[in-house]
Amino acid sequence: DQQVKQNSPSLSVQEGRISILNCDYTNSMFDYFLWYKKYPAEGPTFLISISSIKDKNEDGRFTVFLNKSAKHLSLHIVPSQPGDSAVYFCAATNSGNTPLVFGKGTRLSVIA
Amino acid sequence: EAGVAQSPRYKIIEKRQSVAFWCNPISGHATLYWYQQILGQGPKLLIQFQNNGVVDDSQLPKDRFSAERLKGVDSTLKIQPAKLEDSAVYLCASSFDRGSDGYTFGSGTRLTVV
Repeated sequence: DQQVKQNSPSLSVQEGRISILNCDYTNSMFDYFLWYKKYPAEGPTFLISISSIKDKNEDGRFTVFLNKSAKHLSLHIVPSQPGDSAVYFCAATNSGNTPLVFGKGTRLSVIA
Repeated sequence: EAGVAQSPRYKIIEKRQSVAFWCNPISGHATLYWYQQILGQGPKLLIQFQNNGVVDDSQLPKDRFSAERLKGVDSTLKIQPAKLEDSAVYLCASSFDRGSDGYTFGSGTRLTVV
């Protein structure tokens, strides 16, 4: 039973345009959500997070939006750069009391 | 600060053989996690330690997998005997405490079972 779903295995975007990566979750106990970025042969690195008390969190070119009623979150990258090409994982936890549960990831390719 | 160290980086073994992976977390991080990432999937938790005690091992296949964290620092994950479906990247992560979102991952060990 997948509690965190990333239904798009891959996404291709032109440099300078917006990248939108989506994530859905089924466990209503999740209240803290994170995005991780992974380059080949490296471990995932933390990118941005959002608490369920917010609906938006911004950090430079990265913005995460949370829609609790739809159990949906999205990561926006504007403008997209070739260095953003990586696999992006959505993860969720219950107030940090449970280990992170990850989605399957979305491979983003930013084309110059 | 130094990151999470894992070794070896790559390992190829035959099925039914045994293998061990080592992880050294960030100094001062009390919580340590082992995740399994099969190709095309997201990381899946195998076991979580708080200091040297097990917090969650509900998804660890205990008939063949074992893990320990002696003295609350380094950790070892062992598979014996290995199966073909164990081929995956084994990721170690650590965090300051259980409630922290600051997971730092190591680069992982890529295991191929042939």
